[in-house]
This record gives sequence, structure tokens and C-alpha cells, in this order.
Amino acid sequence: DIQMTQSPSSLSASVGDRVTISCRASQRIGSSLNWYQQKPGKAPKLLVFGASTLQSGIPSRFSGSGSGADFTLTITGLQPEDFGTYYCQQGYGTLTFGPGTKVDIK
Amino acid sequence: QITLKESGPTLVKPTQTLTLTCTFSGFSLNTSGVGMSWFRQPPGKALEWLALIYWDDAKHYRPSLNNRLTITRDTSKNQVVLTMTNMDPVDTGTYYCARLGYSDRLNWFDPWGQGTLVTVSS
Repeated sequence: DIQMTQSPSSLSASVGDRVTISCRASQRIGSSLNWYQQKPGKAPKLLVFGASTLQSGIPSRFSGSGSGADFTLTITGLQPEDFGTYYCQQGYGTLTFGPGTKVDIK
Repeated sequence: QITLKESGPTLVKPTQTLTLTCTFSGFSLNTSGVGMSWFRQPPGKALEWLALIYWDDAKHYRPSLNNRLTITRDTSKNQVVLTMTNMDPVDTGTYYCARLGYSDRLNWFDPWGQGTLVTVSS
């Protein structure tokens, strides 16, 4: 299986901050990388697919970048409603998720 | 509008078989390119993919659980069913279904059902 790692595992940031979450695959996966946001007790919500394509209805402060094995999710101008856990997921081989990055608002 | 909802038992005993149903609306699993998947999430842990079924009835399973999982579809009822045999307490978690999105060799999952919590305990 392709292993996914994320860093940091958690972060605390202030409203308006620029937040960056990294995701690394154990082998090259092209652009087969998706990002999801999950709030406590809720289902995951797709934010970005294909490494950089913003899902319809997702605010433009979210952006994804990267290809190959290294990817980044950036939130430019963190909002109070952006708290939650963010997961990356690769779709190149047997589907796997990263361990998640928990984002708290200071 | 696409909606999905999982249903099934909230409590199963060890060694029993779990049967979960995902009932969806807003699309057809007969349409070329459409797929549905099941995932699970143990309490406080990360998401884990379990199984995927396509419009043409092709199926894929998590290799480590392949001998315990079966995914089927009922296109007349707009349902996808997951069965998992020989349940164990480590299988406790929230189970989700989600619709596959696909384009240009890329795939993603959206939307997701609300999830159903399954506890395995005697």
C-alpha cells in the first residue's frame, strides 16, 4: 500500500492567518491527491481533488498544490469555521488516507 | 441534489456478520462512470477505505479485509450494501458511504453520507 504522512499533526492558528498543511506519499502518485475537511461528529467534506482543483462551493481561501509525492493544502486567511481535522487521500493505488491534521482556532 | 444515508445495526456481537445499507438519491448507479464506496473510521482515528463498486458491477476491496467484505448494489432500490463477516471489537467505528467522482484518471469522493456508528461488543 501507498503510505501517506501529514505534518503537522495539529496546529493552532489565529483568524486571518495563513495555514499550510503538508502531505507526503511513500511513492509518486502524480496528481491523484484529494483533501477533505472533517468536523467533530460529521462526515468528511471534499475540499480539493486532483491535487489542485477546488471542489464547487468551497471558498477560494482553500488551495491545493503539489504533484508526485509532496502536496500542500493552504488556507489563506483562516476563518473561525475552518476548525476541524484535514485529511489527504491518494487515489493512485489502493485508496489510503493520511493520519490527519487537527486545526484549532486560537 | 445528491444525498446518501447509511443504515444498519448499531451493535453487533463478535463473530457476527455486519450488514450496512447505503440508500442514495439524485443519481443512478446504472450510469457509466458512477461508483460508490464504503469507508470506516475507528473512534478518534483516521479514515479507512473498505470497498468500491462501479456502475458495471466491478468491485474492489481493501486487501487486508478482502476475505471478509462483500459489496453489492440494488439499482432498482438505489442502494449499495456492505457485508463484513466475523466482526471483532477492533471493527468498532463509524461507517460511511460516499459517491465516487471520476475524471481524466483522477478519482475523489463526494458527497458522503452522515455515517453510522457500529459498536462490536458482547
